[in-house]
Amino acid sequence: GAGVSQSPRYKVAKRGQDVALRCDPISGHVSLFWYQQALGQGPEFLTYFQNEAQLDKSGLPSDRFFAERPEGSVSTLKIQRTQQEDSAVYLCASTQGNEQYFGPGTRLTVT
Amino acid sequence: RKEVEQDPGPFNVPEGATVAFNCTYSNSASQSFFWYRQDCRKEPKLLMSVYSSGNEDGRFTAQLNRASQYISLLIRDSKLSDSATYLCAVKGGSSNTGKLIFGQGTTLQVKP
Repeated sequence: GAGVSQSPRYKVAKRGQDVALRCDPISGHVSLFWYQQALGQGPEFLTYFQNEAQLDKSGLPSDRFFAERPEGSVSTLKIQRTQQEDSAVYLCASTQGNEQYFGPGTRLTVT
Repeated sequence: RKEVEQDPGPFNVPEGATVAFNCTYSNSASQSFFWYRQDCRKEPKLLMSVYSSGNEDGRFTAQLNRASQYISLLIRDSKLSDSATYLCAVKGGSSNTGKLIFGQGTTLQVKP
């Protein structure tokens, strides 16, 4: 069946630009997570949604990061005024029972 | 100190070898434990959940030691295709939103 999908797969942004990353979770999955993975590191939690409610945003690194899931399905992670340290892979995961399944990620490079 | 720690390796082993990875976690309230496999430039894929009684899936065995707060992954008869980064992940604890806390990953390279 269809898994988690993310778009775009690759994004190059100039420093200071805004970007929007999209996640389509597995149909019917209530819980959705965003993670950030820097090179050579494990994924780090950013934020969590249960349906349309953002229940935990404790991992967002600054107020330049914003996420939404207005209808409880597709989610968008927005980064304003991108900085070089934002360069990373942004992973979305949705949950079946106790297990999380990841999308292919968006590789963001800020130049 | 990181909440979940792994030896980053790399572990270089010949085909057919048995290799074991450990992962320690600091939050004793952690409730669920997982091993993920990540190939280069791909997303993490769930390899197996780790249960208190230990569990096995073919050549892979995972164990949990709550007293010492570590989980392990044993790979027997390693294949070239096992070459990847293995991430341990821990869920639960005080916040209990279901978020996963990952180690930095252990790189395995299986050589012919």
